[in-house]
Amino acid sequence: AQSVAQPEDQVNVAEGNPLTVKCTYSVSGNPYLFWYVQYPNRGLQFLLKYITGDNLVKGSYGFEAEFNKSQTSFHLKKPSALVSDSALYFCAVSLYNFNKFYFGSGTKLNVKP
Amino acid sequence: DSGVTQTPKHLITATGQRVTLRCSPRSGDLSVYWYQQSLDQGLQFLIQYYNGEERAKGNILERFSAQQFPDLHSELNLSSLELGDSALYFCASSRSTGSYEQYFGPGTRLTVT
Repeated sequence: AQSVAQPEDQVNVAEGNPLTVKCTYSVSGNPYLFWYVQYPNRGLQFLLKYITGDNLVKGSYGFEAEFNKSQTSFHLKKPSALVSDSALYFCAVSLYNFNKFYFGSGTKLNVKP
Repeated sequence: DSGVTQTPKHLITATGQRVTLRCSPRSGDLSVYWYQQSLDQGLQFLIQYYNGEERAKGNILERFSAQQFPDLHSELNLSSLELGDSALYFCASSRSTGSYEQYFGPGTRLTVT
């Protein structure tokens, strides 16, 4: 069965420090991987995706993520966190020619001033 | 603004009733997805349509149904409503399936009393 896991319900980081939000996946093929962010009372917004090619992908708002096939991970990172980055982050996976998206349970990021 | 519109924004109704949620995808997007987001169950994929045809089903109850019309807008019908159906319902659209990111609408908050 295809699945995606976000092992941390919450991540706390101080403003200016680097942040990492973890995501691991389990699929029976080559995955397409996505990160989305949800601010309070809003819909999800697309941040970045990995389809193929360079394992390090860059996205919106200074976020980046690294695809690691051997560890089946796709962790979201940012070198210097901002208070405005505080939100709920979702990792998602889909497969080529496969119509379902699988979302992780979400990780709440708290960035403290 | 994602370009995806959903109506209504809020809906309050009684148990046993039926409601219809409407979604208009971004211009040019052929795929529409429906999700349910509740506090205790995270983001649950319900159903996907592509160019008018059902493509994938997730955890959609038999009391729920959806369709996508020739103009590509979609409706989600919820019937015999129960208290547990209270949630945020999101619609998302994408150009196609698989590697294409989804763009989410602002959601419809359904409260069943």
